[in-house]
Amino acid sequence: RKEVEQDPGPFNVPEGATVAFNCTYSNSASQSFFWYRQDCRKEPKLLMSVYSSGNEDGRFTAQLNRASQYISLLIRDSKLSDSATYLCVVNLDAGGTSYGKLTFGQGTILTVHP
Amino acid sequence: TAGITQAPTSQILAAGRSMTLRCTQDMRHNAMYWYRQDLGLGLRLIHYSNTAGTTGKGEVPDGYSVSRANTDDFPLTLASAVPSQTSVYFCASSAGASTEAFFGQGTRLTVV
Repeated sequence: RKEVEQDPGPFNVPEGATVAFNCTYSNSASQSFFWYRQDCRKEPKLLMSVYSSGNEDGRFTAQLNRASQYISLLIRDSKLSDSATYLCVVNLDAGGTSYGKLTFGQGTILTVHP
Repeated sequence: TAGITQAPTSQILAAGRSMTLRCTQDMRHNAMYWYRQDLGLGLRLIHYSNTAGTTGKGEVPDGYSVSRANTDDFPLTLASAVPSQTSVYFCASSAGASTEAFFGQGTRLTVV
């Protein structure tokens, strides 16, 4: 089983739609969670960190469910510019002994069309 | 602007040749990482370094070596390239486990 798994999609949605992505992780000791965005042929960039209490940044909402070991990303009122690959990222941080291991899901492709 | 820089941007390499991919950051980050990205497989960690002088193996370390002589530089070496090492390579750095990782622009390597 992969350490971090995502539905690769692709998700094709119209402008204005709400879309949600889920990601599961296998290591219950994982401490840090992120969503990154990657545009075609570009480097990944941080979209938002994911906190235990859930967090929101404009149209984007991230949630963490430790009991079920999954994180989610909700995008409301989708824009054409939201078209990208969304990467779920998990970092194991057990007392700093392995904090170098950012582990990525394979990414979920989102296309927003007019 | 400051950040993380990779070189070269792209390279075609004959099988059996060696090559070093360069990565430099000027943010004084402790942690640095090398990933390869392949279609359908996502980003896979090759090697990482938590601090200068230390390195560790990631998910796919075979055929690659790294060194971390100082904080800023984290080169990745392919001793004898094989076609399966054709990929896009990303270097990244972060200040710590719970902080944002910054990526270089990537190196597109083709081994023929």
